Amino acid sequence: KQEVTQIPAALSVPEGENLVLNCSFTDSAIYNLQWFRQDPGKGLTSLLLIQSSQREQTSGRLNASLDKSSGRSTLYIAASQPGDSATYLCAVIPVRAAGNKLTFGGGTRVLVKP
Amino acid sequence: DTAVSQTPKYLVTQMGNDKSIKCEQNLGHDTMYWYKQDSKKFLKIMFSYNNKELIINETVPNRFSPKSPDKAHLNLHINSLELGDSAVYFCASSQGALVANGGYTFGSGTRLTVV
Repeated sequence: KQEVTQIPAALSVPEGENLVLNCSFTDSAIYNLQWFRQDPGKGLTSLLLIQSSQREQTSGRLNASLDKSSGRSTLYIAASQPGDSATYLCAVIPVRAAGNKLTFGGGTRVLVKP
Repeated sequence: DTAVSQTPKYLVTQMGNDKSIKCEQNLGHDTMYWYKQDSKKFLKIMFSYNNKELIINETVPNRFSPKSPDKAHLNLHINSLELGDSAVYFCASSQGALVANGGYTFGSGTRLTVV
């Protein structure tokens, strides 16, 4: 059974520092991995999608890497801003799961202090 | 235009009532889902429908009944609501084999509070 873990559960940094968020998964047989952002009381916004054949994806200040063999993904956010404060969730679609089911980690709650 | 829209956004109701949450997507996706986010913020799948056909029913109590009148809509009906049903319910959609496309799109959620 696929399990996804995100450490740390919470992170506080001063504005301008780079953010490093970790995600690990137990079964390397995945179709893809997706990073989401969730603001308090709001829905999920997709940030980056990495296919299983890819090593990384970039969008603006965001960069996500994927190492399938070790079951890890890292989301880097460069030059953090207070507006980056949110909960970041990673999720995988396991090959062995029916119906493209997403398995989520517990999230990392990020606070960027001005 | 909202890609995945859910109504209502907030729902407060008494134990024992029956309620429905509606979801519509205008992305042309063929698969729709319901996810539940509990008080500890964990997101877990409840149901998945592909082209109006039930694909996943993740050991959800049969008080929960999804209905998909067409592939753009997936509604969630809940009978005999219990306190433990209080959570945020998210609708989502995706297109077919996710290997080659843009992944999931989520709605903004429905916060259900049972009192």
